[in-house]
Amino acid sequence: DSGVTQTPKHLITATGQRVTLRCSPRSGDLSVYWYQQSLDQGLQFLIQYYNGEERAKGNILERFSAQQFPDLHSELNLSSLELGDSALYFCASSGTPPETQYFGPGTRLLVL
Amino acid sequence: TQLLEQSPQFLSIQEGENLTVYCNSSSVFSSLQWYRQEPGEGPVLLVTVVTGGEVKKLKRLTFQFGDARKDSSLHITAAQPGDTGLYLCAGLNSGTYKYIFGTGTRLKVLA
Repeated sequence: DSGVTQTPKHLITATGQRVTLRCSPRSGDLSVYWYQQSLDQGLQFLIQYYNGEERAKGNILERFSAQQFPDLHSELNLSSLELGDSALYFCASSGTPPETQYFGPGTRLLVL
Repeated sequence: TQLLEQSPQFLSIQEGENLTVYCNSSSVFSSLQWYRQEPGEGPVLLVTVVTGGEVKKLKRLTFQFGDARKDSSLHITAAQPGDTGLYLCAGLNSGTYKYIFGTGTRLKVLA
């Protein structure tokens, strides 16, 4: 158990819909990262937050947004969903300095 | 654009054999991690290496960080079926706060 929690574990929705994925980092970690992993693909970095502020941005679509709240949990919002958004979405957290990331169990999103 | 290339991409070996996975880049990283991931689950951290030339051992797994902190290797001795999985390396660019993930090595150990 990495200490990072993600909900929900599974999500099935329809094209055009909007969903919210939630992540709670390890106790004491200020950084949260979001990744997308499509079938048999590598991890694609989406976005990073540090203590409530956006710190780094990767290949995140404009339809996607995220935020980190004062209690340090983070949410990833995916809107106008398309079939191609079906993937595993992982959250990771790290401390300071950020030498190592610890991953959550992921949310499997299926868009029908 | 920073890239981390892993080789080989796929590896199928018999139980008891040794293997080495490589992770190479032209960029310098402040630290490098190795993870193992099973289907449908999150990557599980195996090790973090920070110092150039560092060698870390975890039971039958030996990790090495290159002297210039641009590359790393993972050596498994006497592989077991339980070692089966996707192995990922990830380098941290401390200037951009971004982790760059390798392309992955899918290992299958046959009993």
